[in-house]
Amino acid sequence: AQRVTQPEKLLSVFKGAPVELKCNYSYSGSPELFWYVQYSRQRLQLLLRHISRESIKGFTADLNKGETSFHLKKPFAQEEDSAMYYCALLGGGSGGSNYKLTFGKGTLLTVNP
Amino acid sequence: NAGVTQTPKFQVLKTGQSMTLQCAQDMNHNSMYWYRQDPGMGLRLIYYSASEGTTDKGEVPNGYNVSRLNKREFSLRLESAAPSQTSVYFCASSEIAWQGAYEQYFGPGTRLTVT
Repeated sequence: AQRVTQPEKLLSVFKGAPVELKCNYSYSGSPELFWYVQYSRQRLQLLLRHISRESIKGFTADLNKGETSFHLKKPFAQEEDSAMYYCALLGGGSGGSNYKLTFGKGTLLTVNP
Repeated sequence: NAGVTQTPKFQVLKTGQSMTLQCAQDMNHNSMYWYRQDPGMGLRLIYYSASEGTTDKGEVPNGYNVSRLNKREFSLRLESAAPSQTSVYFCASSEIAWQGAYEQYFGPGTRLTVT
């Protein structure tokens, strides 16, 4: 069964410090991974997807198949980055279809001034 | 273009009462989802509908039923609410796009309290 693990429930850093939110996954197929973000009192929204190899709001994430990881990184955290971050894995729909996301339990990032 | 909308935003129920959470999307997506969000548990899938006319159980379906009324609407029903169903409920929708473009779009959530 597929699984997404985010080992840190809470992460607190100071403004300007580097930040890394960890995500590990378990999946038998070729993984497609995402990071979603939920700012206070807002709906969840896609932050980035691994397949696009993009950098959004200064965040990047690299898929490491050997370590089955997809950690989210930012070199210099900003106060507006404070939010709940979810790692998600695509796959596992019925009949082999590939449209269901499995989410990790989330990491609440707080960036202190 | 409102995206995904949910009603109500807040609801308080007594144990044993029933209610239906409504969700609608105007993006012409085929797939729709219901999640619950609990502290320390993250997002857990309750039910999903891959396309109009189909529904499937997710990770935590017990105590819930769903109806895919048409392509736009996907409702979640609690037949006999229990305190364990106190949660924030999110609806989402998606389209199966070419690889690299998959995204689920979320509604604003319904905060449900069962006393």
